[in-house]
Order: sequence, then C-alpha cells, then structure tokens
Amino acid sequence: DQQVKQNSPSLSVQEGRISILNCDYTNSMFDYFLWYKKYPAEGPTFLISISSIKDKNEDGRFTVFLNKSAKHLSLHIVPSQPGDSAVYFCAAKKGAQKLVFGQGTRLTINP
Amino acid sequence: GAGVSQSPSNKVTEKGKDVELRCDPISGHTALYWYRQSLGQGLEFLIYFQGNSAPDKSGLPSDRFSAERTGGSVSTLTIQRTQQEDSAVYLCASSLAMGGVDTQYFGPGTRLTVL
Repeated sequence: DQQVKQNSPSLSVQEGRISILNCDYTNSMFDYFLWYKKYPAEGPTFLISISSIKDKNEDGRFTVFLNKSAKHLSLHIVPSQPGDSAVYFCAAKKGAQKLVFGQGTRLTINP
Repeated sequence: GAGVSQSPSNKVTEKGKDVELRCDPISGHTALYWYRQSLGQGLEFLIYFQGNSAPDKSGLPSDRFSAERTGGSVSTLTIQRTQQEDSAVYLCASSLAMGGVDTQYFGPGTRLTVL
C-alpha cells in the first residue's frame, strides 16, 4: 500500500530552467508534507515543508504547492543549478505518526 | 551541535554472519527511526522508537532483524544470519517528536555489503 508515490524515477533539466518534481498521495488525513534531498553517500536532508492548511510555501528558489482536492503536491526549483542534482524524496505525515516516504526522483541538472 | 552519527560507515560481511549497526541520535530527540535504501530503491521504513512507548516494528522484513534503543538514546540495529539481499544503505534518523512538521534529521548511513 504505497500511500505516497513519486511516479517519475528521474528528471533531467537544463541549468537555469525550472525543475518540477511531483508527488501524489492517497491518505486525505495527512497534515504535513515534506521534501528531502539526498546526495550520494549522504543521508537525506530536509528541504521544505507545507501544512495541509496551506496551498503554497516558498523558500528562496524552492516552492512547494499543495493541491488537496487532487491529493497532489509539487516542488518547483527555479532557477535550477548544477548543485540541485540529487534524489528528492516526498514525505507525508498524519498527526504524531511516522513519516511516509515516496520512492524518490533523481534530478539531474545539465549545464 | 552534533548531528546524527552512525557507525560503521561501511561494513562488508560474509553471508550468514551477524552484524550490528549503531546510531547516535541528536541529543534531546525522543524519536528514532531506522530505514534502509537498497540500490535504486526508495527509503524503506524499518522500525521507529518514540520515548518509552513500544517500538513500531512494522517495517522489519524478517525476524532476523531486531533493534534496541538503550536509555532513550543510542540505538543498535542487529541483522542475524545476513543474506545477500540485506545489502543496502541503512539510515538512521531522529526527531523531537513534537506536533507539527517534526522534521527528521538523518545520519550519513551505513553501507552494508553481504558477500
């Protein structure tokens, strides 16, 4: 039962353009959504989050959008930089329960 | 302050041997999680400790896997009679386990290779 899904295993974007990473979920009771970024040989690091009561949260080049009716969220990175090349994980939680992670999307930024 | 640390960073073992992986969470974090990431796969939840509550072991793949957390701090993940399919990066994370976002902070992982 995959409650959080990232259907694109990989994405390639040209430097300077916008990267859009997508995530779908099935549990309408999730109240927080998070994005993590992972470089090879390192643990994931927290990037940005959004509460279910909001539809947008912005932090510098990173913006997360939440569409509750579609049970969909997306991470926008603009402009994309070579250092953004990493695996991005979407995660969701309900109350005090543990985070549920998606399978990850490998983003490659091409110079 | 210090982040989550894990040891060893790499472990190579022979099939059938037991291994122990260690996690030192961030001081004051009451929640501790173990995940693993097999090659080309996502994060697979293994086990979750929260304070003095009984751990959530729902993600452990078999009875060869066990974990304990001593004194509410350091945790050890033990894999008995290792198999080649156990080869993966084992990640530990900790959090304050408060309401709201409750961000998890991850360690660098232990890369386990079973020959």
